[in-house]
Amino acid sequence: DAGVIQSPRHEVTEMGQEVTLRCKPISGHNSLFWYRQTMMRGLELLIYFNNNVPIDDSGMPEDRFSAKMPNASFSTLKIQPSEPRDSAVYFCASSLYGRDYEQYFGPGTRLTVT
Amino acid sequence: AQTVTQSQPEMSVQEAETVTLSCTYDTSENNYYLFWYKQPPSRQMILVIRQEAYKQQNATENRFSVNFQKAAKSFSLKISDSQLGDTAMYFCAFMKRAGGYNKLIFGAGTRLAVHP
Repeated sequence: DAGVIQSPRHEVTEMGQEVTLRCKPISGHNSLFWYRQTMMRGLELLIYFNNNVPIDDSGMPEDRFSAKMPNASFSTLKIQPSEPRDSAVYFCASSLYGRDYEQYFGPGTRLTVT
Repeated sequence: AQTVTQSQPEMSVQEAETVTLSCTYDTSENNYYLFWYKQPPSRQMILVIRQEAYKQQNATENRFSVNFQKAAKSFSLKISDSQLGDTAMYFCAFMKRAGGYNKLIFGAGTRLAVHP
């Protein structure tokens, strides 16, 4: 198995631009998590999907952030408009529902907003 | 509220020596999971070891072992025979039940440097 795939690995954009981060979970996994890692706040959960449905989005910082999961093999995290404080590493992780103690992380996307 | 505290921002150890990373957590739950994750410079989050709270036996994975003290809410990681490849950030994490799913709460991390 290829593991969790994220793209792009690096993204540099200007303030005000739209940014879309992509994630392909491990085949067969039906739980998907988006995390953000910053120096100030560490690793924090942004949103959790189960069977493509958003279950907990309480960690999404504000309305500029949105996430979708149109099918079992693809999810996006969009920031519109982006701001310099959104600069962070964004991780996607997947697991089998009921086995959330085995979350597999993707390699992360490093986002820099100038 | 559940919190995870790693009191050592940085640690260093000589190759082949043993090092222990500390972690304490706060919870009112009785059944939960605890984890140590490794994040090398590549940024990949790698699960090192997992402990189930209802198991009294400390988990071990090759050179990695934990000292789980449930009453003290302590969960330290011991790395034996340290190798240069162990250089990384290490995160302690607590898994809590939240809204029908299991949510990971991470500590701030400990940066470990292994020196030759």
